Amino acid sequence: DAGITQSPRHKVTETGTPVTLRCHQTENHRYMYWYRQDPGHGLRLIHYSYGVKDTDKGEVSDGYSVSRSKTEDFLLTLESATSSQTSVYFCAISGPAGGRYNEQFFGPGTRLTVL
Amino acid sequence: KNQVEQSPQSLIILEGKNCTLQCNYTVSPFSNLRWYKQDTGRGPVSLTIMTFSENTKSNGRYTATLDADTKQSSLHITASQLSDSASYICVVTIVMEYGNKLVFGAGTILRVKS
Repeated sequence: DAGITQSPRHKVTETGTPVTLRCHQTENHRYMYWYRQDPGHGLRLIHYSYGVKDTDKGEVSDGYSVSRSKTEDFLLTLESATSSQTSVYFCAISGPAGGRYNEQFFGPGTRLTVL
Repeated sequence: KNQVEQSPQSLIILEGKNCTLQCNYTVSPFSNLRWYKQDTGRGPVSLTIMTFSENTKSNGRYTATLDADTKQSSLHITASQLSDSASYICVVTIVMEYGNKLVFGAGTILRVKS
């Protein structure tokens, strides 16, 4: 998984509680991404980061916030979890933009269940 | 709207048989197209990648084709093995100023039976 770890790998929580997922990389890549994957849907981008303290919203950012205080860590926070946020969450990393074959590498995923 | 559509949604084949998965896209501007393999409980892993100027790319028993004029791609798997059972995802990349944006298909779930 290209030097990417996610924690926790599984979590069950209750509606209304805050949840933080962590992505850690050892590749020193500049770009980091959070996606969610749901049955019948392609992976959808939640937020991404293009450097320390530089983040931007993706297509499904409502209800989520992110922080990146150092290159290797990208945190995804659900301020008040809802059942609609039950999903599998993937972190990805990539090197400099552009280039012929710029690729995103994915972590192993975190399965989150909100009851 | 940038979209990637894959067919079929799922497929069951016998070990040793060949199969072809389809991908149609409406993404613009197009940078490259990848096919990812995602095993159950794992993150996606890239199999092949093609720019608009490449119309075929192989990776072992996997061969991807691209027709940039019709905006179609296919992934052909030869002599399937049980380990090919996975979800295969077509992904089109748009290069942006900051990072790159990926548009994902919903995937084709392939099951290879013995």
